[in-house]
Amino acid sequence: DTEVTQTPKHLVMGMTNKKSLKCEQHMGHRAMYWYKQKAKKPPELMFVYSYEKLSINESVPSRFSPECPNSSLLNLHLHALQPEDSALYLCASSQESGQVAETQYFGPGTRLLVL
Amino acid sequence: QKEVEQNSGPLSVPEGAIASLNCTYSDRGSQSFFWYRQYSGKSPELIMFIYSNGDKEDGRFTAQLNKASQYVSLLIRDSQPSDSATYLCAVSASGGYQKVTFGIGTKLQVIP
Repeated sequence: DTEVTQTPKHLVMGMTNKKSLKCEQHMGHRAMYWYKQKAKKPPELMFVYSYEKLSINESVPSRFSPECPNSSLLNLHLHALQPEDSALYLCASSQESGQVAETQYFGPGTRLLVL
Repeated sequence: QKEVEQNSGPLSVPEGAIASLNCTYSDRGSQSFFWYRQYSGKSPELIMFIYSNGDKEDGRFTAQLNKASQYVSLLIRDSQPSDSATYLCAVSASGGYQKVTFGIGTKLQVIP
């Protein structure tokens, strides 16, 4: 099973709202990722969790707050977003060999619209 | 800034032909290389990964890596209309194995 699930599929929120994106995998992967993808652009890395600890933050604004409650779950808390934050948010997971970059398996994404 | 470069296309090939997709990268220390396919509005799905110089074949797909030239390619034989998608090249960062950088992707159109 190489499935990563994400909820919700679509989200519309105002600039004053607080919402959360959720991601789950049951492949036993110990690395989990959040990416942002705008139309006709490649995915841009936001955060990486390794063994439930934040290992990479690509200078993401604090209005995005990641959380990894356990090895299977990854959340992205959203607060006071801007219209330019509208994008497809992708979660991915991979094995964590500690030596080479392993294949990342992507979830279907959450399409976010900020009004 | 470590870069991964791809021609954005579109690359148009007739059904049954070989599609050749190319990618160059700037980070000489990169160790892992991936090709993902992304249909419009969907998430990326892995096509192939390659770690060593040379060719790697999987069905109709062949990945080729030349680390000396900092070049990786994907060949798709017997192209089908269902292969029409954007193909993303992803390259790992040296000194930070968890981070991969994606190219802009090449849009492939297979004409029936």
